[in-house]
Amino acid sequence: AQSVTQLGSHVSVSEGALVLLRCNYSSSVPPYLFWYVQYPNQGLQLLLKYTSAATLVKGINGFEAEFKKSETSFHLTKPSAHMSDAAEYFCAVSDAVNDMRFGAGTRLTVKP
Amino acid sequence: DTGVSQNPRHKITKRGQNVTFRCDPISEHNRLYWYRQTLGQGPEFLTYFQNEAQLEKSRLLSDRFSAERPKGSFSTLEIQRTEQGDSAMYLCASSLEGGTNTGELFFGEGSRLTVL
Repeated sequence: AQSVTQLGSHVSVSEGALVLLRCNYSSSVPPYLFWYVQYPNQGLQLLLKYTSAATLVKGINGFEAEFKKSETSFHLTKPSAHMSDAAEYFCAVSDAVNDMRFGAGTRLTVKP
Repeated sequence: DTGVSQNPRHKITKRGQNVTFRCDPISEHNRLYWYRQTLGQGPEFLTYFQNEAQLEKSRLLSDRFSAERPKGSFSTLEIQRTEQGDSAMYLCASSLEGGTNTGELFFGEGSRLTVL
């Protein structure tokens, strides 16, 4: 069975600072990995996904994530935070069949 | 808007009552998923349909929960004899077959249930 662990339930950065949200996964098969974002009172939106192509994946709104098999990690980064990035971010893993498992989420706060 | 639609958005009920949530997926999507999300947690898988067939159910889905997708289009999730522990956000998502493989799950805004 696969699972993900998101390190840090709450991350706070200043506007313009680097955003780093951590995700480690566990999977018995080559995983498919995803980051979703949830803005207040909205549904989850796909930010980016890793599906065994390039290990560095670029997503929407300037976010990117790097798949590191040796570290079983898929951390999400953005060079410069914007106020509009404040949201809840979820890492998810799939076994490429039908089962997508989500982490507990990281709430990102951006200070002016 | 052709996104995933869920109704009602909010439901407050007394313990022991039955509630039903509806999900209208994106029209061409043949897969439909139900997830539950509690405060401070990520979405937890409940069940999914391919067309009208319910192909998988989580252990989380007790016998008080039932989901249907009678014509392979919209779906309903019914909770009978609600308990306070059922209070959560119920999320619906849809995809084309193989959607999980590519991460293309499209989520609705959720139905928030509060059981008093």
